[in-house]
Amino acid sequence: AQTVTQSQPEMSVQEAETVTLSCTYDTSESDYYLFWYKQPPSRQMILVIRQEAYKQQNATENRFSVNFQKAAKSFSLKISDSQLGDAAMYFCAYRSAQDTDKLIFGTGTRLQVFP
Amino acid sequence: DGGITQSPKYLFRKEGQNVTLSCEQNLNHDAMYWYRQDPGQGLRLIYYSQIVNDFQKGDIAEGYSVSREKKESFPLTVTSAQKNPTAFYLCASGRLGSAYNEQFFGPGTRLTVL
Repeated sequence: AQTVTQSQPEMSVQEAETVTLSCTYDTSESDYYLFWYKQPPSRQMILVIRQEAYKQQNATENRFSVNFQKAAKSFSLKISDSQLGDAAMYFCAYRSAQDTDKLIFGTGTRLQVFP
Repeated sequence: DGGITQSPKYLFRKEGQNVTLSCEQNLNHDAMYWYRQDPGQGLRLIYYSQIVNDFQKGDIAEGYSVSREKKESFPLTVTSAQKNPTAFYLCASGRLGSAYNEQFFGPGTRLTVL
């Protein structure tokens, strides 16, 4: 069974600085999708960025980018120029290409942003 | 605006009572999902549905029931058989056949059993 591990329960960053959140996963499959979701204090989950395993190029969305290392089964999220509004819980999630319905989530990393 | 609505935002229930959480979407998505979130844990899948009048159990379906009579609606009933129902419940929807099949979430319902 696939698992997703986020080993950092909490992280903090100074405003305008860069922070990297870690995510590792375990799977025997070669085709899958990876996601980072943000859950702000309102608790609504918001998709931040996504990556397909077959794409070697790392995904980027404005200040958010990923470092996808398929062989190491690692999918870290880098937030550049951190803003106060980035403070939230961040969840890494995995979806098999075979099982289109099941998202497997990590336990989350709480990010604090200090002015 | 297109989106997913969940109601109520907060719900209180006495032990032994069934309670139904509402989830509606106007995104014309085929698939809908229910997740449970507990402190210190990620989201866990309760039930999902790909088409009207059909649904499948997720990882933690015991003590819950669902229906899918309309494409837009996927209510979740928390029954008295659910031993520890106090949690945050999130509904999501997704468009089947898209490359990523990403899921979009509603604002959630906080259920507290008194």
